[in-house]
Amino acid sequence: DAGVIQSPRHEVTEMGQEVTLRCKPISGHNSLFWYRQTMMRGLELLIYFNNNVPIDDSGMPEDRFSAKMPNASFSTLKIQPSEPRDSAVYFCASRSGGGYEQYFGPGTRLTVT
Amino acid sequence: KQEVTQIPAALSVPEGENLVLNCSFTDSAIYNLQWFRQDPGKGLTSLLLIQSSQREQTSGRLNASLDKSSGRSTLYIAASQPGDSATYLCAVTTGNQFYFGTGTSLTVIP
Repeated sequence: DAGVIQSPRHEVTEMGQEVTLRCKPISGHNSLFWYRQTMMRGLELLIYFNNNVPIDDSGMPEDRFSAKMPNASFSTLKIQPSEPRDSAVYFCASRSGGGYEQYFGPGTRLTVT
Repeated sequence: KQEVTQIPAALSVPEGENLVLNCSFTDSAIYNLQWFRQDPGKGLTSLLLIQSSQREQTSGRLNASLDKSSGRSTLYIAASQPGDSATYLCAVTTGNQFYFGTGTSLTVIP
């Protein structure tokens, strides 16, 4: 299995632009998580899905952030409009229903100038 | 490569007891260390974040310490409650790489 796939790996954009991050979970996993990592705040859970349904989005910082999971093999995290303080590494992780270990993707490093 | 170990792997205590969870890491060149809680079916919940320049952090009944030179951190839980039952994970960060520990499964018995 290729593991969790994220794209792009790096994104540089200007303030005010829309940014879309993509994630393909491991086949057969039914839970998907979006995290954000910064040096100051560490790793923070933004939102997670079970069976394509958003379960808890309390970690989403504000309305500029939205996430979707249209099917079991694809999810997006969108920021519109982006701001410099959104600069961070965004991780996607997936988990099978029977276990607790999460498998992380390589992350997307986002820089908003 | 950084290796993060947590001891014990499982712990069962009666309600009201104070307890300590341990985390050790092999490479002391870390930016920060973070303690998480994981409940079945849910995502990771961040409990405490200790930057490399800090020695400890406190939040409510939780206190986490960091001794970077010896590669150790402890999470102290005071007056444990059944609601504290969960798996506790520590993670260290170096650059944008983070490494999770093996986890401690805690059960607090009413």
